[in-house]
Amino acid sequence: KNEVEQSPQNLTAQEGEFITINCSYSVGISALHWLQQHPGGGIVSLFMLSSGKKKHGRLIATINIQEKHSSLHITASHPRDSAVYICAVLGNQFYFGTGTSLTVIP
Amino acid sequence: GAGVSQSPSNKVTEKGKDVELRCDPISGHTALYWYRQSLGQGLEFLIYFQGNSAPDKSGLPSDRFSAERTGGSVSTLTIQRTQQEDSAVYLCASRFQATTEAFFGQGTRLTVV
Repeated sequence: KNEVEQSPQNLTAQEGEFITINCSYSVGISALHWLQQHPGGGIVSLFMLSSGKKKHGRLIATINIQEKHSSLHITASHPRDSAVYICAVLGNQFYFGTGTSLTVIP
Repeated sequence: GAGVSQSPSNKVTEKGKDVELRCDPISGHTALYWYRQSLGQGLEFLIYFQGNSAPDKSGLPSDRFSAERTGGSVSTLTIQRTQQEDSAVYLCASRFQATTEAFFGQGTRLTVV
């Protein structure tokens, strides 16, 4: 059983579309991270959340602690958003989702 | 520094050689984690340092892997006699002991040829 489940595993969108990636977890956590990894690139932390909602530019992340669920939204998607997005939760240690591979087509 | 720094960002090595990967955590962070991501795989826990406590090495895949953390700050992950299956992105993260803030380095991409 995976402590962190992400969906979808793969996602293809047209440029400009609104995108949602979901993350559910089963362990008690103190924080949740959304990470981004471009093809051949390093891993970048986009957000750290312990409650509520955060927004950086076109990216929005929300978390519902009671439901053990988080979402990452991308508004007005762009081809440069194409990457793997990984949900990571911090309990006793970090637990990672398997990632969502996003491709945005021009 | 302002964030967690890992070096090198990319490393290509020949099979059988030893490599050292470095992680500079944020100053004052007492907890430090190493993970790796193999091609097409999820992130895999390797080792966890917490202050002066004995590290949790339960994730190290073989005795070719070792890690140390000098002075409670910089950490070095050493892989001896590298194998092709060691090719992966090695990720370091650190956080304060008493808070939930955790910060990730950008990773080291290791390629064993």
